Amino acid sequence: DAGVIQSPRHEVTEMGQEVTLRCKPISGHDYLFWYRQTMMRGLELLIYFNNNVPIDDSGMPEDRFSAKMPNASFSTLKIQPSEPRDSAVYFCASSLGPRGTGELFFGEGSRLTVL
Amino acid sequence: AQTVTQSQPEMSVQEAETVTLSCTYDTSENNYYLFWYKQPPSRQMILVIRQEAYKQQNATENRFSVNFQKAAKSFSLKISDSQLGDTAMYFCAFLGSGGYQKVTFGTGTKLQVIP
Repeated sequence: DAGVIQSPRHEVTEMGQEVTLRCKPISGHDYLFWYRQTMMRGLELLIYFNNNVPIDDSGMPEDRFSAKMPNASFSTLKIQPSEPRDSAVYFCASSLGPRGTGELFFGEGSRLTVL
Repeated sequence: AQTVTQSQPEMSVQEAETVTLSCTYDTSENNYYLFWYKQPPSRQMILVIRQEAYKQQNATENRFSVNFQKAAKSFSLKISDSQLGDTAMYFCAFLGSGGYQKVTFGTGTKLQVIP
């Protein structure tokens, strides 16, 4: 399998612009997670899906953030409007959940810089 | 809520030597899973080793082993015969045994292997 695929790898944008990050999970994994990593706060879970349904979005910072999973092979994380404090590395991960070992399989991350 | 604490922000070790990374956690659950993840400078996070709380035997994976002390809620990672490729951030992580799949991560320990 190709692993979890994220795009773009790097995104530089200006404050106020819309940002869309994309993720393709490993085929057969029915859990998908979005994490944000910053020096100040480490790894934070933003939201996770089970069978395309959002289960816990309590980590989503505010209404400017939204995530969707229209099908089992694709998810997006959107920030609108973006702000400099959103600058971070955003990771997508997938897993088999209780059917597996609990291991998370991570993508390579999307580094976002908001100027 | 579960918490995971890594009290060593940075550590260094000479190549071929042994190093131990510390992790403590807090939970009221009796059964759960603990993980160590490695994040090399290239950024992608990968699983190093996994421990199930109901197993008394400490997990081992080649040069990597854990010291799991359930009563003390301690889960340290020992790396033997350290190699330059072990240079990375190491994250301790906790997952409860119920259907809820939120993994809680520690703040990480930056390990530098010195030639």
